[in-house]
Amino acid sequence: DGGITQSPKYLFRKEGQNVTLSCEQNLNHDAMYWYRQDPGQGLRLIYYSQIVNDFQKGDIAEGYSVSREKKESFPLTVTSAQKNPTAFYLCASSISRTDTQYFGPGTRLTVL
Amino acid sequence: AQSVSQHNHHVILSEAASLELGCNYSYGGTVNLFWYVQYPGQHLQLLLKYFSGDPLVKGIKGFEAEFIKSKFSFNLRKPSVQWSDTAEYFCAVITSGTYKYIFGTGTRLKVLA
Repeated sequence: DGGITQSPKYLFRKEGQNVTLSCEQNLNHDAMYWYRQDPGQGLRLIYYSQIVNDFQKGDIAEGYSVSREKKESFPLTVTSAQKNPTAFYLCASSISRTDTQYFGPGTRLTVL
Repeated sequence: AQSVSQHNHHVILSEAASLELGCNYSYGGTVNLFWYVQYPGQHLQLLLKYFSGDPLVKGIKGFEAEFIKSKFSFNLRKPSVQWSDTAEYFCAVITSGTYKYIFGTGTRLKVLA
């Protein structure tokens, strides 16, 4: 089955710890994205990558970091510098920047 | 700054009622327009999209949307909703200027059986 997987589904971390969220796709898509979804705020873009070894900041990149060493993988690290990290995180991919995005199931991160 | 507005945050309808969800964007150039839907417990998925051509586009499950360039709008419609349409609906725009996806804040639709 082709698609996007995100793990884990739920993640709990103590304040001050960095945490990495996994995102893998087997759709052979060049572009990948990370969004944060908060109630009443829709989806806000954290980072995106158009191609391996390249990524760009989105609208709310502060306190986050990413890497794109493989086409299939785009992990997101939530660092201790992120002031309000508790949220639902969505990963997506698309064939090109202007086309349909395909979303993973999301990871709900709770920082205690 | 470019933005997408969805004016209805919560909508409650009875089954068989007609639905129209508003979406307006602020950008004067070329746009690609999308509606995505998130059913309870499921992935966010594409409902329909408009790139060019006929401004009335049809999507899955009987949904359609009309692109009105002069009004910067891409409203979603369905003539008769079902209980299974209960979901959150997001409008999204890509502009030719930045090629960045911009999502609206979403509309939560609840359909009463």
